[in-house]
Amino acid sequence: GQNIDQPTEMTATEGAIVQINCTYQTSGFNGLFWYQQHAGEAPTFLSYNVLDGLEEKGRFSSFLSRSKGYSYLLLKELQMKDSASYLCAVPIDRGSTLGRLYFGRGTQLTVWP
Amino acid sequence: GAGVSQSPSNKVTEKGKDVELRCDPISGHTALYWYRQRLGQGLEFLIYFQGNSAPDKSGLPSDRFSAERTGESVSTLTIQRTQQEDSAVYLCASSLKQGGNEQFFGPGTRLTVL
Repeated sequence: GQNIDQPTEMTATEGAIVQINCTYQTSGFNGLFWYQQHAGEAPTFLSYNVLDGLEEKGRFSSFLSRSKGYSYLLLKELQMKDSASYLCAVPIDRGSTLGRLYFGRGTQLTVWP
Repeated sequence: GAGVSQSPSNKVTEKGKDVELRCDPISGHTALYWYRQRLGQGLEFLIYFQGNSAPDKSGLPSDRFSAERTGESVSTLTIQRTQQEDSAVYLCASSLKQGGNEQFFGPGTRLTVL
């Protein structure tokens, strides 16, 4: 089965850096996703990690350690619009195909001016 | 269309009534997924369709839930004899293929069962 743990809430100020952690247990690892979801809106894709290490994409970076079952999302130069829920997710299906995702409960980030 | 669309955006119904939720995936996306998001909870997988293969219904919570998809286009999720615990946001997503890395989500249908 799958299990994902991430903090429920985090707060930070504009311009700061915040790290959102995610620990996971899964019977067959096929990568880890991060999605962003603003209140009342659809989740939008941020990143996908399948190999260990840090992947940088503008202000957002995602890190993965498969041996530790751990990932984090790093947000730099925070802006008010970054206030949202950040969802960590892993594919449910084993093997090479990806598809159904198992989501954590999400981390609600509030950015203060 | 430009993105995944869902209708209605909001649905209020009485306990015991049937509801039908609709999803229009991105054109050309062969894989389609339904998820449910209860208040304060993570997204919960319900069902997915991949091309003409038999759908994976393993996430459906009870036999009151069913879904259909016409070819590689529109899908409908039907909930019969709704219960209050069915109240949630129902999200649809599509991807180019089952092995696609990114799922594109629709805005969801907020279902409230009174």
